[in-house]
Amino acid sequence: ETAVFQTPNYHVTQVGNEVSFNCKQTLGHDTMYWYKQDSKKLLKIMFSYNNKQLIVNETVPRRFSPQSSDKAHLNLRIKSVEPEDSAVYLCASSRRGEVFFGKGTRLTVV
Amino acid sequence: AQSVDQPDAHVTLSEGASLELRCSYSYSAAPYLFWYVQYPGQSLQFLLKYITGDTVVKGTKGFEAEFRKSNSSFNLKKSPAHWSDSAKYFCALEGQVYGNEKITFGAGTKLTIKP
Repeated sequence: ETAVFQTPNYHVTQVGNEVSFNCKQTLGHDTMYWYKQDSKKLLKIMFSYNNKQLIVNETVPRRFSPQSSDKAHLNLRIKSVEPEDSAVYLCASSRRGEVFFGKGTRLTVV
Repeated sequence: AQSVDQPDAHVTLSEGASLELRCSYSYSAAPYLFWYVQYPGQSLQFLLKYITGDTVVKGTKGFEAEFRKSNSSFNLKKSPAHWSDSAKYFCALEGQVYGNEKITFGAGTKLTIKP
C-alpha cells in the first residue's frame, strides 16, 4: 500500500526550463528525503528534511532546492534543468531507519 | 562518516541455488543496517533490518541477513533462490548527523536468477 505519493510520474522538458516535483507522505514520519537514481540505478541522497529542517544537503547543484510546507510534504524544484538531470527522483520518508519510498518521478531533459 | 559498499554490481545464479549478496559498511558507532529490493519498474521496498540482538535477522520474501561485527558485514541470503527474486538489492546504513538520522545506500547489486 502506497503511503508516499509523488507527482508527476513522468516529466519531459527542455534544457533551461524549471520543474517542480511534489511529494506527500501519510505515515506521520518526521524525516523525508529526496534521492536521485541514475540510469545505472545508483541511488544518491540529495536532501534530508527532519520536521521541516534541512539536515543533510549533499553536494547537489544549486539549481536544486527542496521546499517543505509541513513535515508531510517535501517538494523538489529544479530551477534550470540540464541534460544530466535526467533521472528518476525518489521521495521517501522514514522512522527508525525503515524507509518508505514513493514510486518516483522520471525526468527526461531534451 | 558513514559508507556502505556492495562489491558485486551483478550476480547471476540458477534457480534453486543459494544466494548471498555481500554488503560491508563503515561507521564509527553501532550501525542500524537494512536491505531493500527494487523490482524492475518499481520503487524500493523494505526487506529486513538489524538494530540489535540476534545477528541473524529474517525478513520478507524468505530472505535473511547476518550481521558480523568482526568484518563489518551484513550479507543477504536466501535458499533456494527463485526466478522471481531477480531484482536490484540495496544495502543501507542508518547513522546520525547532528542527532538526526541519515541513511546511506550502497550502489546496489543486480541479481539475475535463471530459470
